[in-house]
Amino acid sequence: DQQVKQNSPSLSVQEGRISILNCDYTNSMFDYFLWYKKYPAEGPTFLISISSIKDKNEDGRFTVFLNKSAKHLSLHIVPSQPGDSAVYFCALRMDSGAGSYQLTFGKGTKLSVIP
Amino acid sequence: KAGVTQTPRYLIKTRGQQVTLSCSPISGHRSVSWYQQTPGQGLQFLFEYFSETQRNKGNFPGRFSGRQFSNSRSEMNVSTLELGDSALYLCASSLTGWNTGELFFGEGSRLTVL
Repeated sequence: DQQVKQNSPSLSVQEGRISILNCDYTNSMFDYFLWYKKYPAEGPTFLISISSIKDKNEDGRFTVFLNKSAKHLSLHIVPSQPGDSAVYFCALRMDSGAGSYQLTFGKGTKLSVIP
Repeated sequence: KAGVTQTPRYLIKTRGQQVTLSCSPISGHRSVSWYQQTPGQGLQFLFEYFSETQRNKGNFPGRFSGRQFSNSRSEMNVSTLELGDSALYLCASSLTGWNTGELFFGEGSRLTVL
């Protein structure tokens, strides 16, 4: 059973418009929420994160929103640029005990920004 | 500073063989995690090592194993390869604190099992 779902496998957005990527989860034990971006033939790179005690975190064009009651996470990119075209993964952290943490990833959303 | 380095980048094996993948973390990072990425399942956690000890393990069969050396470099091994083991294997390192949950990933080792 998937604990983390990204229900949109792909998303196309016009350059300059807003991109909204969504992530839903089922386990309330997740305490930290991250977004990673992945280009082909590269490893994922960290983009932005948010702690469970906050509901919004902003970094330049990127804003992450957390709605704990709905168990919903979203990433807003505005304005979208062609270089943002990549696969975006949400990753949720859980304390596994003994100082270890484990990330559970969604399956990713492929974002295409059209010039 | 140098990032996470994984070798080999690409390899082809046949069913029944075994494979060893290597990961050198960012200098100073003591935690190394391994993930398997497949088109159908996304990224799935394999295991995490810290100070040469496995601290956490995902839901994979015993054919998947790993170890970490005193210099924090890590290896993972898959024995008796199956077709379904074809995947991108990603290594990620982090500082011990995990205060922000951020992992730094390598470019991965692409394994094809024929």
